[in-house]
Amino acid sequence: DTGVSQNPRHKITKRGQNVTFRCDPISEHNRLYWYRQTLGQGPEFLTYFQNEAQLEKSRLLSDRFSAERPKGSFSTLEIQRTEQGDSAMYLCASSPGGGQGRNTEAFFGQGTRLTVV
Amino acid sequence: GNSVTQMEGPVTLSEEAFLTINCTYTATGYPSLFWYVQYPGEGLQLLLKATKADDKGSNKGFEATYRKETTSFHLEKGSVQVSDSAVYFCALSGAGGTSYGKLTFGQGTILTVHP
Repeated sequence: DTGVSQNPRHKITKRGQNVTFRCDPISEHNRLYWYRQTLGQGPEFLTYFQNEAQLEKSRLLSDRFSAERPKGSFSTLEIQRTEQGDSAMYLCASSPGGGQGRNTEAFFGQGTRLTVV
Repeated sequence: GNSVTQMEGPVTLSEEAFLTINCTYTATGYPSLFWYVQYPGEGLQLLLKATKADDKGSNKGFEATYRKETTSFHLEKGSVQVSDSAVYFCALSGAGGTSYGKLTFGQGTILTVHP
């Protein structure tokens, strides 16, 4: 297992264009998380999946953002009509879970750096 | 809501110096506490964790103790190395329900260690 994989690593797009990022979690991790990290700040939670169900979304996730995990494996994060303020590192993480266990360790990918020009 | 506050950085030390990075938190219930590290060009890696009060997490010479009475989880290392240069993030995971694994991070502390 090579860990959490994110593609692309870097994306430069023009304002107003749509972009899509992909995350492949660690095999058999049923929880998947998306975070956004801006320069000089810690990651901020965006959304969370348990298998294919999207269970929670942050207020940071505006209507222009949508995330899917159609088969409970990989996930995509799409940003429509990108704005310069969307420029950030988008991080994906996965963890084992379910049940009432307290195994909350999340394993992070290297992220996709988005630059909107 | 939950929040994490880390000491202002950056921190610059000489090799073999003692390191402390302060972290305090605000949360309801009994969160789990973490330190993550981000080396240059790499993703976030879990450094250590503690899941209940008075637990001590440790790894690679780093330690942190979960202090509920002071709502703190300070990171310490007795003798830092150049290879410890990285950004360190304190984080918490809320207790219960779907918030397991949903992390609230501090702003990060840049550590630079000189030979």
